[in-house]
Amino acid sequence: NAGVTQTPKFQVLKTGQSMTLQCAQDMNHNSMYWYRQDPGMGLRLIYYSASEGTTDKGEVPNGYNVSRLNKREFSLRLESAAPSQTSVYFCASSESRLAGRGGNEQFFGPGTRLTVL
Amino acid sequence: AQSVTQLDSQVPVFEEAPVELRCNYSSSVSVYLFWYVQYPNQGLQLLLKYLSGSTLVESINGFEAEFNKSQTSFHLRKPSVHISDTAEYFCAVSDPGNTDKLIFGTGTRLQVFP
Repeated sequence: NAGVTQTPKFQVLKTGQSMTLQCAQDMNHNSMYWYRQDPGMGLRLIYYSASEGTTDKGEVPNGYNVSRLNKREFSLRLESAAPSQTSVYFCASSESRLAGRGGNEQFFGPGTRLTVL
Repeated sequence: AQSVTQLDSQVPVFEEAPVELRCNYSSSVSVYLFWYVQYPNQGLQLLLKYLSGSTLVESINGFEAEFNKSQTSFHLRKPSVHISDTAEYFCAVSDPGNTDKLIFGTGTRLQVFP
């Protein structure tokens, strides 16, 4: 099993350009997440998808959109990139199978390092 | 809204010395608590978690954390660290509901020196 995969690993954009970060998991997990990691700020949730067909905003959704394409794939789109979106982006997934039973481990991808000039 | 505080951004320590990484959370209601570790240029991995039951939880590589409800803390300890423990450690909290959504602290960088 590959676990959680992310593409690309690195990307440089100019201000105003758009791009989509791809994420896929092969663990048959219901829930998927997008985080950004910035120095001194830990990980902050951008969007999450509790199950196929649903998406919800996290702490810092402005400037981003997401698509839960199917159970395996969850993409993050920057429509008009800004320098403030320079960050490392992580995708994660978790089981979340049983209603009312959280506490499942999140499995993380290797990250995408994005620079916006 | 819940929050997690990791007061120490960096903790330098010599090999074989004990270490404690501090974590406090804000919620006064039931929570699930986690420690994740991030090795250089990698994603995060679960180190250990507290859901219920015994307040002392252990990981397979010698770390342990104790849930203290009265002090709203979940400090991570290891009696003797190795060079390979050099990494960034994140404390996180979630609600015991039907999602696994996490709120992370800002992280503590543990640097182990020979």
